[in-house]
Amino acid sequence: AQSVTQPDIHITVSEGASLELRCNYSYGATPYLFWYVQSPGQGLQLLLKYFSGDTLVQGIKGFEAEFKRSQSSFNLRKPSVHWSDAAEYFCAVESTSASKIIFGSGTRLSIRP
Amino acid sequence: KAGVTQTPRYLIKTRGQQVTLSCSPISGHRSVSWYQQTPGQGLQFLFEYFSETQRNKGNFPGRFSGRQFSNSRSEMNVSTLELGDSALYLCASSEGTSNTGELFFGEGSRLTVL
Repeated sequence: AQSVTQPDIHITVSEGASLELRCNYSYGATPYLFWYVQSPGQGLQLLLKYFSGDTLVQGIKGFEAEFKRSQSSFNLRKPSVHWSDAAEYFCAVESTSASKIIFGSGTRLSIRP
Repeated sequence: KAGVTQTPRYLIKTRGQQVTLSCSPISGHRSVSWYQQTPGQGLQFLFEYFSETQRNKGNFPGRFSGRQFSNSRSEMNVSTLELGDSALYLCASSEGTSNTGELFFGEGSRLTVL
């Protein structure tokens, strides 16, 4: 069965520092992978997605993610975080059943002034 | 284009009652998915409707049900509420015609069961 693991529950980084959020997936074939962000009291918003092709994908708000098949990973990165990036981040994979997206448990990002 | 609209945003119920939550998808989207979000369990898939038919279902008891209308609006119902049903219920819509569709989420309905 497909699954997504986000090993970090909570991460704190200083404003202006670089960020990497980890995501590992379990999937039998080439996965469709997503990163979503949830600000407090809000729904989820798509940051970026990987379907095929270039393994480095660019998203909104300056985020990027790299798909590494050999490591079953899809880590999210940002070179310099802003205070407004404080939120919860979810990695997700689309299951073999159409339109069923499976989410990881999320990583809460806090920004240190 | 208007986003996904969920009503009500907040509600309080007592054990044993039932609740109905509503979701209006983005215009033109035919798929509506429902998720339950709790601190302990994260985002759990409830079900997905496409063109008025349930196309996918998660591992929730039969107390959780849903339906979709011809205008793609969807409702979910939880009967005989339990304390553990307290959660944020998120609705998401998509075009639904491919396996690679992005989900567009509403802001959720926060249910508290006392």
